[in-house]
Parts: sequence; C-alpha cells; structure tokens
Amino acid sequence: AQSVTQPDIHITVSEGASLELRCNYSYGATPYLFWYVQSPGQGLQLLLKYFSGDTLVQGIKGFEAEFKRSQSSFNLRKPSVHWSDAAEYFCAVGRVNRDDKIIFGKGTRLHILP
Amino acid sequence: DTAVSQTPKYLVTQMGNDKSIKCEQNLGHDTMYWYKQDSKKFLKIMFSYNNKELIINETVPNRFSPKSPDKAHLNLHINSLELGDSAVYFCASSQDGNTEAFFGQGTRLTVV
Repeated sequence: AQSVTQPDIHITVSEGASLELRCNYSYGATPYLFWYVQSPGQGLQLLLKYFSGDTLVQGIKGFEAEFKRSQSSFNLRKPSVHWSDAAEYFCAVGRVNRDDKIIFGKGTRLHILP
Repeated sequence: DTAVSQTPKYLVTQMGNDKSIKCEQNLGHDTMYWYKQDSKKFLKIMFSYNNKELIINETVPNRFSPKSPDKAHLNLHINSLELGDSAVYFCASSQDGNTEAFFGQGTRLTVV
C-alpha cells in the first residue's frame, strides 16, 4: 500500500539558515511525488513535483527536492530560508495507477527564528 | 480569476443540520476531489470524481454525499451534522488524476 512519512512534526530554523524537510514514501514502483505548502488560513500551493527524469527538481520560492530511489526519499531543501517560509509543508504521493490514491504526509510545521 | 473556488469560506451550524459546500474549477480539469483536514492538519481524501464519475470513495459516513453536475463542479452535501464533522474541507482538481492537484482556499466548518 502507498504511504508517506514525514518524520518531523515541527522544525525550527533561523532566518537565513538552510533547510531540509524529510519525506519517505512506500510504493511498489516509482511514484509521482509532490511537495505542497500551506500558509495559515490558506489552501495548499504546489512547490514542486517529480514524475520522472532528473532526480533533482527545482520548484518555486527557491525550493528544490531530490528523489532518491534507494532511500525511498524525496526531501525538500532550501539554501536560505526567509521569515515568509514559515508554514506547513506536505509531501504527497500521487497516483500512477487508476486505483491508487493521492496520499499526503502528516505535514511538517516550519518555524523561523528572527 | 480563481482557479478552484469554494463557497462558503466559513460555515457555522448546529448539530443535526444539513449543509452544502460548493466547489467550482475553471481549469478545464477532468478530476476533482474533496479532502478533509482535521485539527492536527492531517489531510485525508474523501472523494474523487473523474468526468462526473465517482472514482474514489473513502470510508466516509454516508451522511456525506458528493454531487458532480458537470466536470467543473463538485459539491459536498452533509446531512445530520455532528460535532466531529468540524474541520476544514478542501476541494481540489487535477488534469487527469495523475498530475498535481490545485486546491481551493478551504471551507472551515464548525458544528456547535
């Protein structure tokens, strides 16, 4: 069965520091992978996605993620965070087959210290 | 132009009432979804429709009934509301069910 694990419920980093949010997935083949961001009181916005090809994916707002098949991971990174990056981040596994489900991780809340 | 729009944004109602949440997308997508986000921010899919056909129907009480009059609309009707139904409900759409989903702003439902 598909599953997504985000091991960190909360992460706190200082403004200007680098960031890595972890995501591990379970799927029988190469899944479609996504990272979304949710600011307080808002809907989810897509940061980036991986379907195939280059395993390092660039997204919006300076984010990138790397797909590592051997580790079943799709970690999100940013070299230097800004206070406006404080939000909830969700990793998701998309559907490859019709009967698959889009599964979201439980989210990681990012706090930024001034 | 809002891509996925939900109404209302806030909904406060009493237990036992029946309410509906409307969703419309102007992206020309074939697939639409309803998600429930609980107080711990956990997102769970409830339903998925593709071209008005129900594709995914998770274990959701049958008090929840989605209705898709056309592929641009997916409404959610909830009967006999209970306290536990309080949550944020998100509508989303995607091109073909395999690609990324675009989310509405959410409807915060509070049952009192």
